[in-house]
Order: sequence, then structure tokens, then C-alpha cells
Amino acid sequence: DADVTQTPRNRITKTGKRIMLECSQTKGHDRMYWYRQDPGLGLRLIYYSFDVKDINKGEISDGYSVSRQAQAKFSLSLESAIPNQTALYFCATSGDQGQAYNEQFFGPGTRLTVL
Amino acid sequence: AQKITQTQPGMFVQEKEAVTLDCTYDTSDPSYGLFWYKQPSSGEMIFLIYQGSYDQQNATEGRYSLNFQKARKSANLVISASQLGDSAMYFCAMREGVRGGSEKLVFGKGTKLTVNP
Repeated sequence: DADVTQTPRNRITKTGKRIMLECSQTKGHDRMYWYRQDPGLGLRLIYYSFDVKDINKGEISDGYSVSRQAQAKFSLSLESAIPNQTALYFCATSGDQGQAYNEQFFGPGTRLTVL
Repeated sequence: AQKITQTQPGMFVQEKEAVTLDCTYDTSDPSYGLFWYKQPSSGEMIFLIYQGSYDQQNATEGRYSLNFQKARKSANLVISASQLGDSAMYFCAMREGVRGGSEKLVFGKGTKLTVNP
């Protein structure tokens, strides 16, 4: 089984709809991240969380919110989706020491289209 | 200002030859880490190699090596003996910030590598 899973893998929605992307991990890591990827722009950080009670805004948090329900779960919500939020969304985790600190483990990505 | 710069939008290499993908970074933090990721057409992000700012030696992982030149703030990825399966997007990234504080990963825009048979 994959260490970092994302649901759904693909989603098409309409402008104004609320949508939630979910991420679960079995790696036991405290740190979790949400990124979006747009063509030609690389990955940009939306939100990150270093533990259940610690949530921080990233580079492009406007229009998004997150919830860290448990150590293993980190959800990203678009309260009112707009077309320019069409992108590939990645969840990632990392440890806080050792080899796991020196790598971010990525989920498979969620391809979101907002019409 | 961009923190990570990858100046090569696309690169071509012949199978079995070596290729260098460029990455320069900008930080005033003395403690930072540099990463390279591969993204094949299937979309997943695959970790390749890591270099810490205090590491004395260049990192190596199989056919991947990182040419770390601290004074020049460059962290180029070298792929030896290219294979057709190396065709993908490659992203350089940097982690900076106080450990346990505001640290996060910043990515470059990527280089698309095509390996020709």
C-alpha cells in the first residue's frame, strides 16, 4: 500500500462549489504539506502543518483552508472554487529528524478542474 | 526574487551519455538543504538526492550526483549513463528557515529532460 494517499485522484467541479481534497499517510510523520502545481510554475506551497495543533500558511494560501484531523490526515478545502484553482495538487509528508527529515514524501497527486 | 532558478527549460541528451541539470539558489540562511525531484509523465514526484549546506562531500545516489558549489550557490544534478526512462521533468528545491520553525520547501520551475535513443 502507498505511504501517502490522496483522494480523489481526479475531480471536476463547477465554479462556486465547495470541495475537499484529502490526504492520509502511514509513515508516522508529524509534518504534512499541501502544494499545487501549475504548468511552468513548479510546485508552490499552500499550507503546512508540523503537528496536529500547528498549521501555517504557505506562499499561496488565499482561497484555501486546511484541517489536520489527526497526525495521519491533512485535508485541503476550497470553500468556493474558481477556475484559476484548476491545477495538480500534491500532499507531502516529512519526518523531523534523520533521513526522513531530508526528504519530502509525496502523494500521487489530485488533478482538479474547475469549470 | 526567485529563490531557486533552473535556467534550462528543456535539455536533450543521447542515451548512455551524462547530462548536467543546472540549479542556482538564493538564501541568507546558513543552514539549508537542497533537493532534486523527478516527475515523469505519470505525474508522481520522485525524490532523487539531498545535499545539506554543511555536508562536506557532494551527495551521490547511484547514477545521480549533486555538484554542490556553495560559494557559487549552485547545486547541479549530474545524471550519468542516461537511460530512456530518465526522460522527465526535474525539479530543484531548497529547504530554508529555522529548524522546527518556519522551514518549508521552495521549488524551481523545472527542467524537462529528453533522452534520445
